[in-house]
Amino acid sequence: NAGVMQNPRHLVRRRGQEARLRCSPVKGHSHVYWYRQLPEEGLKFMVYLQKENIIDESGMPKERFSAEFPKEGPSILRIQQVVRGDSAAYFCASSPSTISSGANVLTFGAGSRLTVL
Amino acid sequence: AQSVSQHNHHVILSEAASLELGCNYSYGGTVNLFWYVQYPGQHLQLLLKYFSGDPLVKGIKGFEAEFIKSKFSFNLRKPSVQWSDTAEYFCAVNSYSGAGSYQLTFGKGTKLSVIP
Repeated sequence: NAGVMQNPRHLVRRRGQEARLRCSPVKGHSHVYWYRQLPEEGLKFMVYLQKENIIDESGMPKERFSAEFPKEGPSILRIQQVVRGDSAAYFCASSPSTISSGANVLTFGAGSRLTVL
Repeated sequence: AQSVSQHNHHVILSEAASLELGCNYSYGGTVNLFWYVQYPGQHLQLLLKYFSGDPLVKGIKGFEAEFIKSKFSFNLRKPSVQWSDTAEYFCAVNSYSGAGSYQLTFGKGTKLSVIP
């Protein structure tokens, strides 16, 4: 089942370290989305990328967070100098084409759970 | 900005009981509506969706939802729950973000526990 693959599933970092989360979309999907789920909260949109382009990063914190989706390889969500408040589950989703009609359906990965000590 | 409200944080039911989970959204324009389910330890899966047409939509595993435009609601129902329905349920609305794309906005989720 070639769904959305995320790794690592669990990541523990100390404050100040860097966290890198990887997402391989469904084969043939060229659009990737990152969402963050804080404890007791719903999923919050962070960023939407196409290959080599950031389309919408309106949900990304202005500092320490970055995302990329290179021509080859998985999408990476990078968090620099992590703080305890970054502890959350980070979900990646993919779709085969833009959801400009709003009618496309996202396929989600199982998430990466980041714990900052 | 779009917001989605799910009225119940945690629902506990016995098997065979009927289920209704509330969902209200704030956006007044054209929306596409979804219910996702997350079983313990698994990824989010699409349960059902509404884009247009019949406001009563049927999904997998006997779930259905009704879109009531006048109430900005999209409640999820199942006539008789099973233990295997124990999961977290998320309502989501897809609407134009104003930043060049559509965004899925999620509710906070409702945990359903079904007691055998």
